[in-house]
Amino acid sequence: GDSVTQTEGLVTLTEGLPVMLNCTYQTIYSNPFLFWYVQHLNESPRLLLKSFTDNKRTEHQGFHATLHKSSSSFHLQKSSAQLSDSALYYCALMGYKLTFGTGTSLLVDP
Amino acid sequence: EAAVTQSPRNKVAVTGGKVTLSCNQTNNHNNMYWYRQDTGHGLRLIHYSYGAGSTEKGDIPDGYKASRPSQENFSLILELATPSQTSVYFCASGDARTANSDYTFGSGTRLLVI
Repeated sequence: GDSVTQTEGLVTLTEGLPVMLNCTYQTIYSNPFLFWYVQHLNESPRLLLKSFTDNKRTEHQGFHATLHKSSSSFHLQKSSAQLSDSALYYCALMGYKLTFGTGTSLLVDP
Repeated sequence: EAAVTQSPRNKVAVTGGKVTLSCNQTNNHNNMYWYRQDTGHGLRLIHYSYGAGSTEKGDIPDGYKASRPSQENFSLILELATPSQTSVYFCASGDARTANSDYTFGSGTRLLVI
C-alpha cells in the first residue's frame, strides 16, 4: 500500500540557518499528489504546499519543495529558518487515499 | 470559506461505552477522512469515504466504524471504547485528484477513555 517516510523525528536549528526536511514515498499510483502540511501547537494541520508535477519547484511562505518521481522524494526546504517556523511538519501522499508520514518536529532556537 | 466542523471538541468516555464523533463539511467535497494523532505515530488513517453512502477501511480500522449518510456528514463510531483509543481525532475533507486539491482539517476532538 501507499506509504510516506519522514526520517527525522526532530530537527533543531538556529534561527537563520537553512531548513531541509526529508520526505520519500511509495505508491503504485502513477500520478501521485504530494503535500506538506504544518501544524502549530494546539492547532489542526494546514496545507503549506502541494505538487503533482514532476521536477517542478513549488513555493509558498518562503518554503519550497520539488517533486522528483525518479527518486520518489518531496523534500521541504527554506533558506533561512525563523522562530515562527517551529512546528510539526507532515508530508502526505494522495494516491488512492491520503496518507501521512509520521511527522517532523522543527524547533528553531534564537 | 470552506469549513470542516467537528463535534464534540472534547469528550470523556467510559471503557466499554459507545462514542460517536461527528464531522460536517460545507465544502461539497467528495472525500472525507478520519485520522487519529498520537505522538510518534503522526496522523494515522482510520476510515475514509468517497461520497455519501460509502466508507472504506484505512490503515487502522479495528475498533472503529464509520458512517457517511450525506455529502456533508461523516461520523466515526467507537462501539466499545477502550483506553487505547484515547487520542486526538481529526476529520478532513477534500476533492480527489484536482489541481486545486486541498484537504482541509477540522479542529480536532480530544477523546479520553477512562
